[in-house]
Amino acid sequence: LAKTTQPISMDSYEGQEVNITCSHNNIATNDYITWYQQFPSQGPRFIIQGYKTKVTNDVASLFIPADRKSSTLSLPRVSLSDTAVYYCLVGSNAGNNRKLIWGLGTSLAVNP
Amino acid sequence: DAGITQSPRHKVTETGTPVTLRCHQTENHRYMYWYRQDPGHGLRLIHYSYGVKDTDKGEVSDGYSVSRSKTEDFLLTLESATSSQTSVYFCATTTGGGNEQYFGPGTRLTVT
Repeated sequence: LAKTTQPISMDSYEGQEVNITCSHNNIATNDYITWYQQFPSQGPRFIIQGYKTKVTNDVASLFIPADRKSSTLSLPRVSLSDTAVYYCLVGSNAGNNRKLIWGLGTSLAVNP
Repeated sequence: DAGITQSPRHKVTETGTPVTLRCHQTENHRYMYWYRQDPGHGLRLIHYSYGVKDTDKGEVSDGYSVSRSKTEDFLLTLESATSSQTSVYFCATTTGGGNEQYFGPGTRLTVT
């Protein structure tokens, strides 16, 4: 069964680029990778999703190497409001069988 | 944000009593999920539904049951609450199996 591993915490400063890496060595062919952000007392919120190579949207980029055993969430020029917990999710959308393997989250602290 | 509400938002109950948590969505999403979130464990899937009256177990389903009699409502029932079920419970929905999950605000349940 796939397992996702990510750093427990990270520190950064305003204006810096932050890269959070998730390891998922046993990822299956049909699995996709998704990242979520969570603020205290709120539900997680979708950031970005990918299957391979690179995906970019308005808030982040997701880098996935060819072997797909890891993925890196990149947050450009972070601000204080990016202080949150970031979760990596490996999931399968094969039929109705839901396999959803969440990482334990990376607590990002952005300092002034 | 997707229209997902959870009720109650907070509940304190005694060991051995039945508890039902409700998730309501206005987005007509096909898939609905119940998670629990605990320190050190991240998000863990309890049960999910892929349609009306179609449900399946997640990784931590023991002690929980679910029902989905209509598209918009997904109920989570603890038949006889235990202290180990003290947690924050999140409901989520998606349009398709592998798509972005939209989370509700959570229910904080304390079993004394």
